[in-house]
Amino acid sequence: GDSVTQMEGPVTLSEEAFLTINCTYTATGYPSLFWYVQYPGEGLQLLLKATKADDKGSNKGFEATYRKETTSFHLEKGSVQVSDSAVYFCALSRGSNYKLTFGKGTLLTVNP
Amino acid sequence: DVKVTQSSRYLVKRTGEKVFLECVQDMDHENMFWYRQDPGLGLRLIYFSYDVKMKEKGDIPEGYSVSREKKERFSLILESASTNQTSMYLCASSLDSRSSYNEQFFGPGTRLTVL
Repeated sequence: GDSVTQMEGPVTLSEEAFLTINCTYTATGYPSLFWYVQYPGEGLQLLLKATKADDKGSNKGFEATYRKETTSFHLEKGSVQVSDSAVYFCALSRGSNYKLTFGKGTLLTVNP
Repeated sequence: DVKVTQSSRYLVKRTGEKVFLECVQDMDHENMFWYRQDPGLGLRLIYFSYDVKMKEKGDIPEGYSVSREKKERFSLILESASTNQTSMYLCASSLDSRSSYNEQFFGPGTRLTVL
């Protein structure tokens, strides 16, 4: 079945540091890929998405590129802020299946 | 903006009680979902519904049932609550069941404690 594996946290960085959160997936066909973010005390919200190979999703300074050859969708940001502290989830959706398959989440803490 | 609301942010119940968690979305979405979120396990799908009165089991349906009598409302029911159902419950909705781009919009969650 489909699965998503993302790096285990927690990840602790200083403000303005570079961020990478690794995400790899297993799925047949051509899934769509997503990053969701959950700020403290809130539900999840979509951060960015990519629907085909080599697409780059971007939002709020975050980027991720859909790499089919390595089945990866790593999240990056050049300079993190304290306000980026949250849990980040990688997810996939495949074909006409409207289910999302989530990774286990990565807790990011950014210190001033 | 899409808004998904859940009836309670925090809920405390006793073992054996029947528990109702309510979710309402205001954007005429076809699909609605119930997840539970546990540390180290991420989000796991309990049930989903792609139309009024339609439902399908997710990955962990045991001990739960659902009801969707109106398009905007999706209820999760714990027939007899147990301590292992203590968790954060998240409701979500999405627009189109036929697209692979299925952004889901989430509610704020209900933290349920079963004593």
